[in-house]
Amino acid sequence: EDQVTQSPEALRLQEGESSSLNCSYTVSGLRGLFWYRQDPGKGPEFLFTLYSAGEEKEKERLKATLTKKESFLHITAPKPEDSATYLCAVQARSSASKIIFGSGTRLSIRP
Amino acid sequence: DTGVSQDPRHKITKRGQNVTFRCDPISEHNRLYWYRQTLGQGPEFLTYFQNEAQLEKSRLLSDRFSAERPKGSFSTLEIQRTEQGDSAMYLCASSFQKAGVGGNEQFFGPGTRLTVL
Repeated sequence: EDQVTQSPEALRLQEGESSSLNCSYTVSGLRGLFWYRQDPGKGPEFLFTLYSAGEEKEKERLKATLTKKESFLHITAPKPEDSATYLCAVQARSSASKIIFGSGTRLSIRP
Repeated sequence: DTGVSQDPRHKITKRGQNVTFRCDPISEHNRLYWYRQTLGQGPEFLTYFQNEAQLEKSRLLSDRFSAERPKGSFSTLEIQRTEQGDSAMYLCASSFQKAGVGGNEQFFGPGTRLTVL
């Protein structure tokens, strides 16, 4: 069964303190891996899609990387406005539609 | 704003009542999805439409749930005889189906928060 596990569940960092969020996945053939950001009471906001092992994508202070079993979201010198829940999701090659989400990592950046 | 919109944003109802939610996708997107999200969890897939055809439904979607997309544009999700366990955020997303094997990024609306008393 396709599955996504994110760790840690919650992470508190000081402003400027870089770190990484982990997303481990098992899927029967990966069509795509997605990262989203979700603020409280709002819908997920699309960040990145990764398709194959070795691929990397960057946006401002965020960089996503992908291996055959996991993905990392690296956050460099975070600011308080980066505080949010970060969700990882996968789409299997066998699925034309459904994406399976992890439970997310709640990131809190203290000024 | 040309993003996905949902209405209402909040709905409080009594157990046993019927509720209906509306989703307006991004105009050029041909696929529309419904998800449910409970506190501390990621969204769970419920169903999706390609244009007006409903092509997949999750086992989570009981007989009390029905979704429509009558003209391939907006969609409605109806829950009949609501139960307290239906309390959740209901999210709508849309995407444009690409040819080939690439993943299709889904763009989410703000959600409808349902509370069943």
